[in-house]
Amino acid sequence: GAVVSQHPSWVICKSGTSVKIECRSLDFQATTMFWYRQFPKQSLMLMATSNEGSKATYEQGVEKDKFLINHASLTLSTLTVTSAHPEDSSFYICSALGTSVYQETQYFGPGTRLLVL
Amino acid sequence: QKEVEQNSGPLSVPEGAIASLNCTYSDRVSQSFFWYRQYSGKSPELIMSIYSNGDKEDGRFTAQLNKASQYVSLLIRDSQPSDSATYLCAPTGGGNKLTFGTGTQLKVEL
Repeated sequence: GAVVSQHPSWVICKSGTSVKIECRSLDFQATTMFWYRQFPKQSLMLMATSNEGSKATYEQGVEKDKFLINHASLTLSTLTVTSAHPEDSSFYICSALGTSVYQETQYFGPGTRLLVL
Repeated sequence: QKEVEQNSGPLSVPEGAIASLNCTYSDRVSQSFFWYRQYSGKSPELIMSIYSNGDKEDGRFTAQLNKASQYVSLLIRDSQPSDSATYLCAPTGGGNKLTFGTGTQLKVEL
């Protein structure tokens, strides 16, 4: 159980274009999902918290107009990188909050590798 | 002071030995603590969680928590080459947010 998928697994795009990444919880419902970004040799940095049916909460320093998040259902959250630039090239990972026996736990998707040329 | 501190390693242990991974955190409010394993180029996968002081065992893994010392550790018994990865310690904060350290790279040598 607690499987999270992401699509696409990798994407290459031209500078200035927009890219949409999907995050799905496959066998559980998740009212809360999280979006992270990880640069090489660095730790995961939380970008935003996505709540079903409400606006996402962005971490300090993350541009909400550049990274659009939509959580339209209990199993799907999307991250759209608008007007992507080479500095946006990174490993984007989502997680979905599920309830285990003892506590709520984040289960991670496999990640999406974005390369902006 | 970093919120979560881990020795970046690499920590090298021979196959079959016990690997000991340590983590300190600064937020006394943290109630739950998670250990994730991340293979190179992959996303994190959950190893185990702990929320009470003391030890918690799950197969070859044992997590230890000492909230007074703000210290959490992970022991891996009978280490295998497949355990070679980066281990991330993550306490939870408000809103179930996780704060990740930079992780400890573990290398299990044949």
